[in-house]
Parts: sequence; structure tokens; C-alpha cells
Amino acid sequence: NAGVMQNPRHLVRRRGQEARLRCSPMKGHSHVYWYRQLPEEGLKFMVYLQKENIIDESGMPKERFSAEFPKEGPSILRIQQVVRGDSAAYFCASTPLPGAYNEQFFGPGTRLTVL
Amino acid sequence: DQQVKQNSPSLSVQEGRISILNCDYTNSMFDYFLWYKKYPAEGPTFLISISSIKDKNEDGRFTVFLNKSAKHLSLHIVPSQPGDSAVYFCAAPWENGQNFVFGPGTRLSVLP
Repeated sequence: NAGVMQNPRHLVRRRGQEARLRCSPMKGHSHVYWYRQLPEEGLKFMVYLQKENIIDESGMPKERFSAEFPKEGPSILRIQQVVRGDSAAYFCASTPLPGAYNEQFFGPGTRLTVL
Repeated sequence: DQQVKQNSPSLSVQEGRISILNCDYTNSMFDYFLWYKKYPAEGPTFLISISSIKDKNEDGRFTVFLNKSAKHLSLHIVPSQPGDSAVYFCAAPWENGQNFVFGPGTRLSVLP
């Protein structure tokens, strides 16, 4: 049973470009969470999605950031017009059940560098 | 406002000795806590959890203690091994129960 997959592992973008980060949850998991880790900081919650639904996006910046988890395919975190401050490691996690009392299984992360 | 705090950014311990990692929280509504371990270039992995109905949970070399009155929990690793060198995050469910809030992490170095 493959774990949570994220790609790409490393992504380099110039300011103003778009970044697309993909997350494939563990088999049987229909709940996906995205986190951002800035250098020397902890994980910050961004968004929680179920298939075709955004449940909680309270941690996501209001502009330039969007997320989706379609019925088929991976979850996508999209950052438009990237700026240097977007440089960070982005992790996704999945669980088989909703709610915060379930262990979250994390992917290896995507390290975004904005030049 | 940080709801989960880990005030020691780093900790060094000799192999074979005890490692104690601390975590404080501000929200008295939190009733479940988890510890995650993270190696460089990898995602966090779950280590151990504790419910607020308990004050201790043990799993092999890892024990988590919870002091609700002090809003404090600690992770004890004994004996510490070089492979335990990693960043340890304390996490608690959000008020809305939908997600976790993570502390900033403590980097543990176990010296051979």
C-alpha cells in the first residue's frame, strides 16, 4: 500500500509564475490536508478537503492560493503569481476518516523555491 | 497567537540517556494530543498520542505525559538512540475539530 505521494519533490519558479503541487492520498483515504512549513518554523495548516469539497480553508491566503480535490485524480494546491515569500515546503496529509482524532499520514513534501 | 508552544528549539542528549521534549498549550478545550517526528527531506510521521482522559501513554521507548492543570505535555524517550535525532512536533486538534495545530518543533540531537 503506497503512502501519500507528492510531486514534484522540488519546484523552482520565477516571481509571477504559477506553481502547481500535487498530492495523491493513501489508497482508501478521501480526506486531504495541506500544510506549509516556512524555514525554521513549524507546520501551518492551510486547507482541508474531501473529494470535491473544500471543508476548511481558513489557513489559506485569500489571494493567489487555491486548492481542489476532484473526484478523480490527485489533490492540487495552486499558487498563482508566486512571490519570494511563497518559498517553503508544502506537505499534504491524508486520513481515511474525517475529524482531527485520526492520525494523519504525511507525504514527503514539495519544496518550492521562488527566484 | 500560538496555541501550541514548544519553547526549546533544540536539544542535545547523549546516547543512552533520557530525552525530554516539552510542549505547552493555551486552549483548555484541546482534549487530544499527538507527537510527530520529522527527518530532513521527509514528511512528519506519527509517533504517539494521548487523550485528555489519561495522564500517561507509553509505547516502547516513548512515553507521553499530560498535565491538564498546567496545560503541559512532555515526550520522554529512554534510552535515546542516534536514530532518534529528528525534529519533534507536538500537535493538537483545532477548536472546530477539523484539524491540527502544530507547535514549531524541537530539534533533537542524540550524540553517540
